[in-house]
Amino acid sequence: GQQLNQSPQSMFIQEGEDVSMNCTSSSIFNTWLWYKQDPGEGPVLLIALYKAGELTSNGRLTAQFGITRKDSFLNISASIPSDVGIYFCAGLRDNNDMRFGAGTRLTVKP
Amino acid sequence: DTAVSQTPKYLVTQMGNDKSIKCEQNLGHDTMYWYKQDSKKFLKIMFSYNNKELIINETVPNRFSPKSPDKAHLNLHINSLELGDSAVYFCASSQDSSTYGYTFGSGTRLTVV
Repeated sequence: GQQLNQSPQSMFIQEGEDVSMNCTSSSIFNTWLWYKQDPGEGPVLLIALYKAGELTSNGRLTAQFGITRKDSFLNISASIPSDVGIYFCAGLRDNNDMRFGAGTRLTVKP
Repeated sequence: DTAVSQTPKYLVTQMGNDKSIKCEQNLGHDTMYWYKQDSKKFLKIMFSYNNKELIINETVPNRFSPKSPDKAHLNLHINSLELGDSAVYFCASSQDSSTYGYTFGSGTRLTVV
């Protein structure tokens, strides 16, 4: 299946810093999504992007759907301790087949 | 009133046993999925069912058999469990042809000893 390359693999930042992570693919996706997973829980949807070039915000989170439809990034501004977790990008095709990146493990030091 | 609920949350069993994981969603979604998350946290789709019909079946050993008695349930039965089956299994659901992402259950951690 399609491979989504997510980077970085992990990040250690200080509270208050901004964070950026991205995802690229060799295949085109119609929808890009960003999920967050807390320990012992399932992934929870943060942002969904539907159109190439689209820039969407959800509080301190901003994500963009790349023009080529093969990439996306997620920014978190002014990080706080509860931002800790694993962030996954995901690409969705038309046929209800969603593929995930390998995740970015975020650690925020108070 | 959990949206996607899986049981059990933890499952520890011996090699060679047969076990089932249940999943139910009360969101009225048409499509349900099973994902496997390995120790490196990589999420890989296993199966996808739409209105009780199998639409995606990734390269999964045929020891894994999904069963969908109705569109609100998708259970996963695993025969002859092996050590490599140890992982966290997530159930998810979505509206048909959804572009709104999936709603995940909280996972079942399977440990085969």
